[in-house]
Amino acid sequence: DAGVIQSPRHEVTEMGQEVTLRCKPISGHDYLFWYRQTMMRGLELLIYFNNNVPIDDSGMPEDRFSAKMPNASFSTLKIQPSEPRDSAVYFCASSSLGIAFFGQGTRLTVV
Amino acid sequence: AQSVAQPEDQVNVAEGNPLTVKCTYSVSGNPYLFWYVQYPNRGLQFLLKYITGDNLVKGSYGFEAEFNKSQTSFHLKKPSALVSDSALYFCAVRDPDYNTDKLIFGTGTRLQVFP
Repeated sequence: DAGVIQSPRHEVTEMGQEVTLRCKPISGHDYLFWYRQTMMRGLELLIYFNNNVPIDDSGMPEDRFSAKMPNASFSTLKIQPSEPRDSAVYFCASSSLGIAFFGQGTRLTVV
Repeated sequence: AQSVAQPEDQVNVAEGNPLTVKCTYSVSGNPYLFWYVQYPNRGLQFLLKYITGDNLVKGSYGFEAEFNKSQTSFHLKKPSALVSDSALYFCAVRDPDYNTDKLIFGTGTRLQVFP
């Protein structure tokens, strides 16, 4: 397996634009997590899914953020509209039996 | 509520010397504990875990961690540090009573190994 695949690796967008981050989890994993990492706040859990169902979205900072998992092999995190303070590295991770495997992340810069 | 604490923002050690990265935890039941490492511009990578059994667990790259229930600690150790061990290290806990894979991560400790 190629591991957790995230796209794009880098995204630069203007304030107010919609941004969509994509994730392909490891096949067979039943959990999927979206994290955000910044210098100021460290690693934050935004939302996670179990068997494609959102379980806990209490970490989603605002209504501008939304996440979907339409099937077991794909998830998206959308920010609409984006703001400069959303600039961060966004990680997707999938897990099975408690061990999480992380993607390489998407570095988002909102200017 | 379950939590982990990493009291040191940074640990500096000379190459060849032993290293310790500290972690303490707080959970309601018996914890599942993990260590992850993050190299620059990469995602977190699993190093090792403690579920049950022997208090000393061995992981990748020569790392090991010691579970101490009385001190609620799970310190990461390595007998001889390498410059290539320089990275950001995260401790994490999963509360098995909640029947979920959700992990609570610490704030991370930056390990700097000097030649």
